[in-house]
Amino acid sequence: AQKITQTQPGMFVQEKEAVTLDCTYDTSDPSYGLFWYKQPSSGEMIFLIYQGSYDQQNATEGRYSLNFQKARKSANLVISASQLGDSAMYFCAMREATMNSGYSTLTFGKGTMLLVSP
Amino acid sequence: ETGVTQTPRHLVMGMTNKKSLKCEQHLGHNAMYWYKQSAKKPLELMFVYNFKEQTENNSVPSRFSPECPNSSHLFLHLHTLQPEDSALYLCASSQDKLADYTDTQYFGPGTRLTVL
Repeated sequence: AQKITQTQPGMFVQEKEAVTLDCTYDTSDPSYGLFWYKQPSSGEMIFLIYQGSYDQQNATEGRYSLNFQKARKSANLVISASQLGDSAMYFCAMREATMNSGYSTLTFGKGTMLLVSP
Repeated sequence: ETGVTQTPRHLVMGMTNKKSLKCEQHLGHNAMYWYKQSAKKPLELMFVYNFKEQTENNSVPSRFSPECPNSSHLFLHLHTLQPEDSALYLCASSQDKLADYTDTQYFGPGTRLTVL
């Protein structure tokens, strides 16, 4: 089973509007971290925001916020006031505390392509 | 230089060539990673180094050979590659908290590799 599911292959939004990118995850570990990364066409994977499984409040970082619903196992990224430069691929990722090989791996979803139009 | 840098940014090589990818991090981290990103596939972890020691080899073919001379530098040596090895190769680094689920990885710009 997929650990990270991003059901939206592509999303369109107009400049200055807000957009939500969906992410659901699957884990039986009580301790885990959720990450969102942005990948422009240039290729670099840019870290945006982090949410820990025990964090009581939703994480925010500038125009980015994470809508964390633990019971639903969802960690949606909300981008407010979209800008043209937000057009990119967005990846949700999870890191669990459980170690099978002495190392806790970061598992990525397949990504959502966001296009911001003027 | 700041963050994580990778050279070259683009590489075209024949199947009989030998080449190396270089990664350098300027963040004072102790863990470094190689990932492969193929079209329409999730990011795949290839190798992990912590304090220069390899801690993970994700069943990667031997035609990929990593080297980590110190905590700031990571290389990926390539030889006799196949066309299906064409992909974006991303390097990342993080603090040495490999077992800590809060440990954030920071990525370089990647090397776009084409094998002819």
